[in-house]
Amino acid sequence: QQQVKQSPQSLIVQKGGISIINCAYENTAFDYFPWYQQFPGKGPALLIAIRPDVSEKKEGRFTISFNKSAKQFSLHIMDSQPGDSATYFCAASSNSGGSNYKLTFGKGTLLTVNP
Amino acid sequence: GAGVSQSPSNKVTEKGKDVELRCDPISGHTALYWYRQSLGQGLEFLIYFQGNSAPDKSGLPSDRFSAERTGGSVSTLTIQRTQQEDSAVYLCASSFLLITYEQYFGPGTRLTVT
Repeated sequence: QQQVKQSPQSLIVQKGGISIINCAYENTAFDYFPWYQQFPGKGPALLIAIRPDVSEKKEGRFTISFNKSAKQFSLHIMDSQPGDSATYFCAASSNSGGSNYKLTFGKGTLLTVNP
Repeated sequence: GAGVSQSPSNKVTEKGKDVELRCDPISGHTALYWYRQSLGQGLEFLIYFQGNSAPDKSGLPSDRFSAERTGGSVSTLTIQRTQQEDSAVYLCASSFLLITYEQYFGPGTRLTVT
């Protein structure tokens, strides 16, 4: 059972455009939703995260939108740059039932920003 | 400051051999996680350590996998009698769970079983 579904698998955007990646989750106990950016040969780097008590969080060009009732959240990258080309993973976690905030990841989105 | 470090960065081993992978978490971080990243399965949780509590081993795929954390700091993931399906990138992450839920990942160890 895939608990976090991520789409699209790949995305091509022109420089300056908006990149949008979507995730949906099933476990209502999840209460922490981070996004990670991963470059080839590197470990995932924490980009931005949100708790379910807010509907939106913005950090620079990166924004998370969160819809608790729909159990969906998304990452928006404004003014996308070629340096943003990477794989992006959404994740979810909780401490419910001894889950210890272990992360459940989506399958990833390969973003390519063309110059 | 220094981030999470892992060694070796790459490991090639023959099927049936044992391997040990090492993780040095961020200083002061109380929680340590191991994850595995493979093409077929994506990123998946393996094991979790927090202070002196019993580890959460619920993600270990078989009894050939084990891990320990000494002195609340360095952790070693051991895979016995390696199989080709063990080939993957093994990632370690640490967190100061008492303060934040944020997990910071190391660069990973790429394991290739031939």
